[in-house]
Amino acid sequence: AIQLTQSPSSLSASVGDRVTITCRASQGISSALAWYQQKPGKAPKLLIYDASSLESGVPSRFSGSGSGTDFTLTISSLQPEDFATYYCQQFNNYPPLTFGGGTKVEIK
Amino acid sequence: EVQLVESGGGLVQPGRSLRLSCAASGFTFDDYAMHWVRQAPGKGLEWVSGISWNSGSIGYADSVKGRFTISRDNAKNSLYLQMNSLRAEDTALYYCAKDESSGLPMPRVLYYWGQGTLVTVSS
Repeated sequence: AIQLTQSPSSLSASVGDRVTITCRASQGISSALAWYQQKPGKAPKLLIYDASSLESGVPSRFSGSGSGTDFTLTISSLQPEDFATYYCQQFNNYPPLTFGGGTKVEIK
Repeated sequence: EVQLVESGGGLVQPGRSLRLSCAASGFTFDDYAMHWVRQAPGKGLEWVSGISWNSGSIGYADSVKGRFTISRDNAKNSLYLQMNSLRAEDTALYYCAKDESSGLPMPRVLYYWGQGTLVTVSS
């Protein structure tokens, strides 16, 4: 099964900061990667699909890039409501679908 | 409005069985693949199982293969997860999730999630 490694596992940043989260796949997955946001006590929410396509309704400060094995999620200007945990997920090889371990973003 | 409502969770002893249900509304259920994803307390997301729109393609995580069975009833707009031989490590919040696609040839992204049902396996 494809393993996804996210880094960092947690970070602390200030409102307005640019934040970058990386997701590395154990083998090439083309652009078959999605990003989700999960706030405490809530279900995950889809942010990005196909590595760089922004889901409808998601603020444009979120962006995704990458292909093959290395991917990034960028928040261009961190907002207080962005406090959450972010997960990547691959859908190139199935089964299984696999998730990264998550990155917890805390507001300084 | 898309709604996914999970039910059937609870406290169960190791080795026993439990059946989860997910009632779907607000979309054409039989157009989409569906999944179960779980999250152990304080941990990350783990995909459990997925089923294509017509039940023609079914997949399981290695951790549940042979113990869990996913099924769907398109006439009832419902998804199910039969969980047998439960273990302590199956303790988690179980989410039902709608795929973006029909699931054929493969599933894609998890477009919408329910709020989950908690399964606790303990003696």
